[in-house]
Amino acid sequence: KAGVTQTPRYLIKTRGQQVTLSCSPISGHRSVSWYQQTPGQGLQFLFEYFSETQRNKGNFPGRFSGRQFSNSRSEMNVSTLELGDSALYLCASSERLQVAEAFFGQGTRLTVV
Amino acid sequence: AQSVTQLGSHVSVSEGALVLLRCNYSSSVPPYLFWYVQYPNQGLQLLLKYTSAATLVKGINGFEAEFKKSETSFHLTKPSAHMSDAAEYFCAVSVDAGKSTFGDGTTLTVKP
Repeated sequence: KAGVTQTPRYLIKTRGQQVTLSCSPISGHRSVSWYQQTPGQGLQFLFEYFSETQRNKGNFPGRFSGRQFSNSRSEMNVSTLELGDSALYLCASSERLQVAEAFFGQGTRLTVV
Repeated sequence: AQSVTQLGSHVSVSEGALVLLRCNYSSSVPPYLFWYVQYPNQGLQLLLKYTSAATLVKGINGFEAEFKKSETSFHLTKPSAHMSDAAEYFCAVSVDAGKSTFGDGTTLTVKP
């Protein structure tokens, strides 16, 4: 099976812009979770989608949003970018039949200048 | 709510020495526990998981971890470190499918 694919791998944006990141989960996985990783805050949970519905949400402002499509692919959007949004954004997929391990993509490195 | 504490943000061992990375968790319900490894500019890769079966869990690359409920611990060990083990290691707890809480990570350095 192909792994979790995140695109793009690297992105540079300017403050105030918006950005959309994409995640294709492992075939058959219906849950997609997003995490933000920064040196100062570590790995922080953003949100999780299952069957096109947001099931869990972390403590991030409304500028961070996401969606999931019928084929389980997910997108994450950040509007009005701030310098502090610079981070590695990781997507993870799982089967979610029960609590199960997450399979991570390589991440998208977002730099806001 | 659940939480994870990884003791020691940096651990350094000599090649061939025992690796011990510490993880303590807090959870109001029986947790699922995981250890992940992350290499530079990569995603996280699962090393092993505890899902309430055997308390001693064996994972990939010679790693294992023991779940100790009385100590609320899930420490990761490997008898003999290799240079290729140098990476960042994360302990995670999950009580809700689709959402994990991660520790701050421990960077393992292996000296020749």
